[in-house]
Amino acid sequence: GNSVTQMEGPVTLSEEAFLTINCTYTATGYPSLFWYVQYPGEGLQLLLKATKADDKGSNKGFEATYRKETTSFHLEKGSVQVSDSAVYFCALGYGGATNKLIFGTGTLLAVQP
Amino acid sequence: EAGVTQSPTHLIKTRGQQATLRCSPISGHTSVYWYQQALGLGLQFLLWYDEGEERNRGNFPPRFSGRQFPNYSSELNVNALELEDSALYLCASSLAMGARYNEQFFGPGTRLTVL
Repeated sequence: GNSVTQMEGPVTLSEEAFLTINCTYTATGYPSLFWYVQYPGEGLQLLLKATKADDKGSNKGFEATYRKETTSFHLEKGSVQVSDSAVYFCALGYGGATNKLIFGTGTLLAVQP
Repeated sequence: EAGVTQSPTHLIKTRGQQATLRCSPISGHTSVYWYQQALGLGLQFLLWYDEGEERNRGNFPPRFSGRQFPNYSSELNVNALELEDSALYLCASSLAMGARYNEQFFGPGTRLTVL
């Protein structure tokens, strides 16, 4: 079945460090891929997305590239800030009759000043 | 433009009781989704409603049910509550179902605690 696997957390970084959160997926067909962020006490916010192979999603300094050959969608940021501390979820989604999101387990990022 | 709203923010129930959670979608959105975020289990898809009909259901027992009203708002009902139902329940909405995936926008969630 379809699934998303992301690296275990927590990930603890110092401010201005480089961030990578790995995400790989198993899916049939051509899903869209997403990164969502959940700040403490809040719901999910869409961070970025990619709808087809080789697309790069980007937002707020975060980037991820849809790699079909490696079935990956790793999240990167060149210089993290304390305000980036949150839980990050990788997800895949299909349209049509399915139209649901399948999430990874989430990765907690803690950025220290 | 108002986002997805959910009520109540927190709900405390005891085992065996029923819980009702409510969701109002973004104006113009006809699809509503429910997800359960239980501690240590990530986010699990529960239900999807579109145009008043249940379109898809996750791997949850029948005591999880819901409905969508003519104004596209939705209710999630959980009967015979069990301790493991304690979780954050997230509602999301999107434009009408179609061939391609429509982006889902999430509400802040209802925290259900079962004692």
